Amino acid sequence: DQQVKQNSPSLSVQEGRISILNCDYTNSMFDYFLWYKKYPAEGPTFLISISSIKDKNEDGRFTVFLNKSAKHLSLHIVPSQPGDSAVYFCAARTMDSSYKLIFGSGTRLLVRP
Amino acid sequence: SQTIHQWPATLVQPVGSPLSLECTVEGTSNPNLYWYRQAAGRGLQLLFYSVGIGQISSEVPQNLSASRPQDRQFILSSKKLLLSDSGFYLCAWKSGGTPANYGYTFGSGTRLTVV
Repeated sequence: DQQVKQNSPSLSVQEGRISILNCDYTNSMFDYFLWYKKYPAEGPTFLISISSIKDKNEDGRFTVFLNKSAKHLSLHIVPSQPGDSAVYFCAARTMDSSYKLIFGSGTRLLVRP
Repeated sequence: SQTIHQWPATLVQPVGSPLSLECTVEGTSNPNLYWYRQAAGRGLQLLFYSVGIGQISSEVPQNLSASRPQDRQFILSSKKLLLSDSGFYLCAWKSGGTPANYGYTFGSGTRLTVV
């Protein structure tokens, strides 16, 4: 039973264009949603997050949108750069003291020069 | 500063052999600690987490176990490895003082290949 889903395993965009990565969740008992970036053979690094009471959070080129009614969030990267090429994981944090993060399966982003 | 150490970086083990992966955190106290596994082409699966010394919660029934003998030490073990235990193992921590929206800090991972 996947609580967090990333239905697109890969995405390819041209440098300078917008990258949109999507994520869906099935459980409403999450208080934060986070995006992590991961390179091969390395641990994921935190990118950006959004509280469940917000609908948008922006940090430089990265913006995360949350649609609670649709249980959907997306990460927008504008403009995309070749260095953004990596696997992006969406994660949802449970509303308890365990602070568990439930991850999606990831989307591999390739930004073409 | 707060750092997380995970070792070894790579490991090749025969089927049926034991396993011990260690993770330690520096610069914080009483962190929540987590073990994740990324199988080939898959997402990050939470295996175990611990909110304190000696406290272990298992998320997925499997051939692995975890222990937390000290506040900032988290160990992943197996008595007999299976081929399906191959994967990239990640340790992560979260301090109670960390802003909630920062999630976890991950270690650099261990690539385990069971042959």
